[in-house]
Amino acid sequence: DTEVTQTPKHLVMGMTNKKSLKCEQHMGHRAMYWYKQKAKKPPELMFVYSYEKLSINESVPSRFSPECPNSSLLNLHLHALQPEDSALYLCASSLADRGGYTFGSGTRLTVV
Amino acid sequence: AQSVSQHNHHVILSEAASLELGCNYSYGGTVNLFWYVQYPGQHLQLLLKYFSGDPLVKGIKGFEAEFIKSKFSFNLRKPSVQWSDTAEYFCAVNDQAGTALIFGKGTTLSVSS
Repeated sequence: DTEVTQTPKHLVMGMTNKKSLKCEQHMGHRAMYWYKQKAKKPPELMFVYSYEKLSINESVPSRFSPECPNSSLLNLHLHALQPEDSALYLCASSLADRGGYTFGSGTRLTVV
Repeated sequence: AQSVSQHNHHVILSEAASLELGCNYSYGGTVNLFWYVQYPGQHLQLLLKYFSGDPLVKGIKGFEAEFIKSKFSFNLRKPSVQWSDTAEYFCAVNDQAGTALIFGKGTTLSVSS
């Protein structure tokens, strides 16, 4: 299995909703990432987990809450989002000490 | 902190023209370098990567890139583009000690048939 699987592919949520994005990989990668990508812009790093521990939080608002239940799963819990949070959310994984990243196909999130 | 600069915001070419997209990075240490492509409405795909060794790297779909350490550059090339190469191209870098990929702002390539 050489893929990163993200679910759901599309999500529409209201500003008072709570939802979660899921990411799964079975490549034995011990680093996992959340990126946010707006249209025609590069991916922006949000969080990095290394060996299931949060190692980087790029000053992301607390309405985004990451969770890494085990080495294969990464969640992003969403609560009280704003319309400007609408974007493509990408999950990626890699070997912990160097590159060789694999990106998922993303969750396209729309906040209404 | 690392940064990545892509010089060309939008490149417009005719089919069969040659392509070169510029990428410069600022980091004094050893780096890993990547080029990704994103076709309209699709996810990121890795074109090629450089970790060490031969500075001329060949990737998928006929793309290649050359790492020039003295110029802190990793330019992407293709001898003859096709209409299907129309996409957004991102250069990215990370250092060997860290793990996060830092992306350039991207270059939009439009190829007319």
